[in-house]
Amino acid sequence: EVQLVDSGGGLVQPGGSLRLSCAASGFTFSNYWMFWVRQVPGEGLVWVSVINPDGSATGHADSVKGRFSISRDNAKNTLYLQMNSLRAEDTAVYYCARDDTHAQTFDYWGQGTLVTVSS
Amino acid sequence: DVVMTQSPLSLPVTLGQPASISCRSSQSLVHSDGNTYLNWFQQRPGQSPRRLIYKVSNRDSGVPDRFSGSGSGTDFTLKISRVEAEDVGIYYCMQGTHWPRTFGQGTRVEIK
Repeated sequence: EVQLVDSGGGLVQPGGSLRLSCAASGFTFSNYWMFWVRQVPGEGLVWVSVINPDGSATGHADSVKGRFSISRDNAKNTLYLQMNSLRAEDTAVYYCARDDTHAQTFDYWGQGTLVTVSS
Repeated sequence: DVVMTQSPLSLPVTLGQPASISCRSSQSLVHSDGNTYLNWFQQRPGQSPRRLIYKVSNRDSGVPDRFSGSGSGTDFTLKISRVEAEDVGIYYCMQGTHWPRTFGQGTRVEIK
């Protein structure tokens, strides 16, 4: 059974940093592109970051470029999101999601972890 | 970015009655490879999104056959033939044809 378990969220002050993790199991993690998608409470879904299977290529939404960094450890079956210079508008639930490349969509999602940026 | 517009944003439905959600894209979702990458997700209260439909009309494993997807080009529809209590939640369309992938605003389905 495919499982994605998100962790690392919490309360952080503006300008602070946080690292999110997504532990994957039930599939060959190193074969898949992976994403982070966020959802502001009560609002819609927006992609944040993407990484290719071996970690050699990444992409970030303009809103987080230069502040967030996605990475992965295929030996540990874990995806990461390093979030620096956090702003109030980064407050959201962050989900990791597995890419279904054949359908250009997400087929499995983590349960999400809440990041709150506030003083 | 491709803008995905859903309607209605709120949909009160009587149990056992049909429901229909529209999703329109600001550009055609027909990819150069001939496929149309339009997907539907369900998000039940307090849960993460779950994919229901991919490539317009393909139901995921375990998704009840009361859910169906249709459409082409820029206009797409998700239909629930007979709404059940477990269908309460927010439904999102998402396009994967153009980068970046973008979602609709969501349609909240509730029981009258």
